[in-house]
Amino acid sequence: NAGVTQTPKFQVLKTGQSMTLQCAQDMNHEYMSWYRQDPGMGLRLIHYSVGAGITDQGEVPNGYNVSRSTTEDFPLRLLSAAPSQTSVYFCASREQGGDNTEAFFGQGTRLTVV
Amino acid sequence: GEDVEQSLFLSVREGDSSVINCTYTDSSSTYLYWYKQEPGAGLQLLTYIFSNMDMKQDQRLTVLLNKKDKHLSLRIADTQTGDSAIYFCAERGDKIIFGKGTRLHILP
Repeated sequence: NAGVTQTPKFQVLKTGQSMTLQCAQDMNHEYMSWYRQDPGMGLRLIHYSVGAGITDQGEVPNGYNVSRSTTEDFPLRLLSAAPSQTSVYFCASREQGGDNTEAFFGQGTRLTVV
Repeated sequence: GEDVEQSLFLSVREGDSSVINCTYTDSSSTYLYWYKQEPGAGLQLLTYIFSNMDMKQDQRLTVLLNKKDKHLSLRIADTQTGDSAIYFCAERGDKIIFGKGTRLHILP
């Protein structure tokens, strides 16, 4: 199993450009989420999804859109990048219920907006 | 809303025990986690505890949960240089909320 795969690993954008960060998991997990990690701020939840067709906002959703058309994929879109969105982005997935509690993380996407 | 607090930095001598503390606010949390992040890497689940447990031990790791005070701690016995990392406490209700992370620094 590949687990959680994020692409790209690194990206530099100009202010105002748009892009999509990809996240895919092959574990048939219902729950998927996006976090951003900034120095001294820990991981802050951007958006999450409890299943295909269902998304919800986390702590810091502004400037980001998500969709969940399939169980496997949960892309994160930046419509008009801003320097404040320079960060490391992590995608995570887990089973929604049951006893299996672990959230699996991708390796991260390091985004710089200039 | 939900919030998870932990100290940002801890310095410990090699061979001593490390204790990382965390407080959380969501009393409906079902699970509490400790994740480890090494430099340049993603997050690795270290251990977790179910909310109706008081303690869980796993080799050098001991997790203590005081549900009344909403306080969670992670004790690492015989701290080694490989334990140097950032440790995140997280609570799981309908979503997973992380603390800011505690950077563990090992002194020789």
